Amino acid sequence: AQTVTQSQPEMSVQEAETVTLSCTYDTSESDYYLFWYKQPPSRQMILVIRQEAYKQQNATENRFSVNFQKAAKSFSLKISDSQLGDAAMYFCAYRSWKTSYDKVIFGPGTSLSVIP
Amino acid sequence: KAGVTQTPRYLIKTRGQQVTLSCSPISGHRSVSWYQQTPGQGLQFLFEYFSETQRNKGNFPGRFSGRQFSNSRSEMNVSTLELGDSALYLCASSVDIDTEAFFGQGTRLTVV
Repeated sequence: AQTVTQSQPEMSVQEAETVTLSCTYDTSESDYYLFWYKQPPSRQMILVIRQEAYKQQNATENRFSVNFQKAAKSFSLKISDSQLGDAAMYFCAYRSWKTSYDKVIFGPGTSLSVIP
Repeated sequence: KAGVTQTPRYLIKTRGQQVTLSCSPISGHRSVSWYQQTPGQGLQFLFEYFSETQRNKGNFPGRFSGRQFSNSRSEMNVSTLELGDSALYLCASSVDIDTEAFFGQGTRLTVV
């Protein structure tokens, strides 16, 4: 069974600085998707970034980028120029490409605080 | 374009009762999935529907059930409520099974 681990329950970053959130996962599959979701205090989950496992190039989305290491099964999120609005819970998630396993598995989350 | 709408937003029920939660996906989205979020267990997958068919189900007891209608709207039902069912229930919709999922704001269920 697939698992997703986030080893940092809480992190903090100074405004305008860069922070990296860690995520590791375990799977025997070769085709899958990885996601980072953000959940602010409003509780609505927002997709931050998505990576297809078959793509070697790391995904980027404005100030957000990932470091995807398929062999190491690592998928970290880097937030550059941190802003107060980035404060939230961040969840790393895995989704199998196979139709029979297309449920999303979430990690336990990392609570990010942004210090003004 | 309207987002995913979940109703009601908040709900208080008594142990032993049953509850039905509703999710209206984004127009054109055919896939709807449900998740339970609790402080202790985190986010756990409940089930996913695509074109009125349940495609996958998480490890939850049979008291948890769901369905999807022809207009893609989905409902989930929990019977014989237990205190441990208190949680935030999130619904997400996507165009297809491998496309981006958009989440609703959730329904906060409290069982007393």
